[in-house]
Amino acid sequence: EAGVAQSPRYKIIEKRQSVAFWCNPISGHATLYWYQQILGQGPKLLIQFQNNGVVDDSQLPKDRFSAERLKGVDSTLKIQPAKLEDSAVYLCASSSRTGRGSNQPQHFGDGTRLSIL
Amino acid sequence: KQEVTQIPAALSVPEGENLVLNCSFTDSAIYNLQWFRQDPGKGLTSLLLIQSSQREQTSGRLNASLDKSSGRSTLYIAASQPGDSATYLCAVIGQNFVFGPGTRLSVLP
Repeated sequence: EAGVAQSPRYKIIEKRQSVAFWCNPISGHATLYWYQQILGQGPKLLIQFQNNGVVDDSQLPKDRFSAERLKGVDSTLKIQPAKLEDSAVYLCASSSRTGRGSNQPQHFGDGTRLSIL
Repeated sequence: KQEVTQIPAALSVPEGENLVLNCSFTDSAIYNLQWFRQDPGKGLTSLLLIQSSQREQTSGRLNASLDKSSGRSTLYIAASQPGDSATYLCAVIGQNFVFGPGTRLSVLP
């Protein structure tokens, strides 16, 4: 089975510019996650979708970050405007079942490495 | 607020050794706990998932245990190999998803 696809792999922008990341989950996976991983730290959950609805976006900085999952498949994450502290790897993951007690693991893409100058 | 720590931060062992990685969490009200490995420049690969009602899970040379009451999980790697070199992260799934900072493992040939 094809894994989680993310693009681009790398992005370099200047502060105050905008940027967008794209994620295509594993076929049939209803749940999609976006994480931010700062160098040397574990990933931090930004937003969780169940199909095209938002389950958890409590840690998403909504003044500058937005995400959507149209038609319950692909998803995009946008930052506008970017700040220096947004430099990180943005990881997308998907799983086949929702519910925090699910025994279905998350499958991760390779991420997009964002550098802010 | 759930806090997850992992000890040690880094570990270097000779090939063939058995080793234990530790994960501690502050809130025992969890649904499950998952162990991942992360290779440089890559995403995370799921190794083992332990549901809150379980005590341990095994896959090949890996064994993960969970003690909810004490807020601890351990990942045991038997007969380590150079290919096991990676960063190992635990994720605690409760009210929120919270990852630990990881243990960077180097297995020397």
